[in-house]
Amino acid sequence: EDKVVQSPLSLVVHEGDTVTLNCSYEVTNFRSLLWYKQEKKAPTFLFMLTSSGIEKKSGRLSSILDKKELFSILNITATQTGDSAVYLCAVEADGASYGKLTFGQGTILTVHP
Amino acid sequence: NAGVTQTPKFRVLKTGQSMTLLCAQDMNHEYMYWYRQDPGMGLRLIHYSVGEGTTAKGEVPDGYNVSRLKKQNFLLGLESAAPSQTSVYFCASSYSTSGVNTGELFFGEGSRLTVL
Repeated sequence: EDKVVQSPLSLVVHEGDTVTLNCSYEVTNFRSLLWYKQEKKAPTFLFMLTSSGIEKKSGRLSSILDKKELFSILNITATQTGDSAVYLCAVEADGASYGKLTFGQGTILTVHP
Repeated sequence: NAGVTQTPKFRVLKTGQSMTLLCAQDMNHEYMYWYRQDPGMGLRLIHYSVGEGTTAKGEVPDGYNVSRLKKQNFLLGLESAAPSQTSVYFCASSYSTSGVNTGELFFGEGSRLTVL
């Protein structure tokens, strides 16, 4: 059974801080690892990491994948109040239908002014 | 740009009642999914569809049925609601062209269902 564990479960920081969110996984025949941001309602896609793309960056957000140690981190630098959200990590198994994801519990990030 | 639209957004049911959640997408996506989200458990896949007329079971399919009669619509049915089905339900869609997958699921805004 595929499994994703995120840590910490919640995190409170002040604007300008840098945060690191962790995601460890167990999956049979890894295909990809994905990060989503969920504010009030619908999760929105951040990154997809695969064997051929183990590092992604977009503005203040970056993510790396360690396939050997089976984990990923999501880094947010110079945090802003708008970064407050639940961050979801998910894995996709090779051979499974696209989009058939196993999600972690999520990390609740709160950024205070 | 509607994207993925779910109806209804909120519903309260009594145990044993039935209902249907409707998901509609206007992006011509082949793949559609129903997930449920419960506190402390993340999102769990209920059923999914890889194309019109096809459906398949996900991680937690018991107590639910689905249909995909039209490419743009994916219906989730509860035949006899139970309190354990109290949850927030998310529909999502994605596309795959010639086996290339961007990994991006487009989610609806969720439907909050309470079963008393």
